[in-house]
Amino acid sequence: DGGITQSPKYLFRKEGQNVTLSCEQNLNHDAMYWYRQDPGQGLRLIYYSQIVNDFQKGDIAEGYSVSREKKESFPLTVTSAQKNPTAFYLCASILKGHQNTEAFFGQGTRLTVV
Amino acid sequence: GEDVEQSLFLSVREGDSSVINCTYTDSSSTYLYWYKQEPGAGLQLLTYIFSNMDMKQDQRLTVLLNKKDKHLSLRIADTQSGDSAIYFCAEKGAGNMLTFGGGTRLMVKP
Repeated sequence: DGGITQSPKYLFRKEGQNVTLSCEQNLNHDAMYWYRQDPGQGLRLIYYSQIVNDFQKGDIAEGYSVSREKKESFPLTVTSAQKNPTAFYLCASILKGHQNTEAFFGQGTRLTVV
Repeated sequence: GEDVEQSLFLSVREGDSSVINCTYTDSSSTYLYWYKQEPGAGLQLLTYIFSNMDMKQDQRLTVLLNKKDKHLSLRIADTQSGDSAIYFCAEKGAGNMLTFGGGTRLMVKP
């Protein structure tokens, strides 16, 4: 079945450590997005990519990095420079240029700093 | 920049209708969406409306769009306990960018 998969579901990070969150989609979608959600809050855009080998900063990119080497994959690295990384991270993808556009979301990764 | 706003909380009794409201600022929005988020899960698309429509009905869901006032609403008829969740409205503007509201937590009381 087609879909978008995030892994792991839960992730624990020690202070000063970099961690990478995986996002894979087999929907042949062009555009992929990473959002951060804090408790009781909406979604804030971290990074997005409209095409392979290209990505743009969102509203809260500091302390994060991404790559888009393959259309299917858009991993997010939370670096040690991100001072408050504990949050719920959501990945989404959209079929670009299609009239009936729908953003598909993964099930999220909950990151906790220990 | 673009801004999407929603009230934080709504409480209704089972069987009543729920109306969740949203305002947005980007007049170039092409599509507007309603997503549902259950605890610990991702967002699930409930329905969407194209910006040149003013109403869309899908079973228990009715979406109303007032483009002049940039106001979007979601009405859920015969609200059930399974409808308890956070509801996000979102607008799609230029470049496939989605801007989300802060979410409305719907609580359904027996």
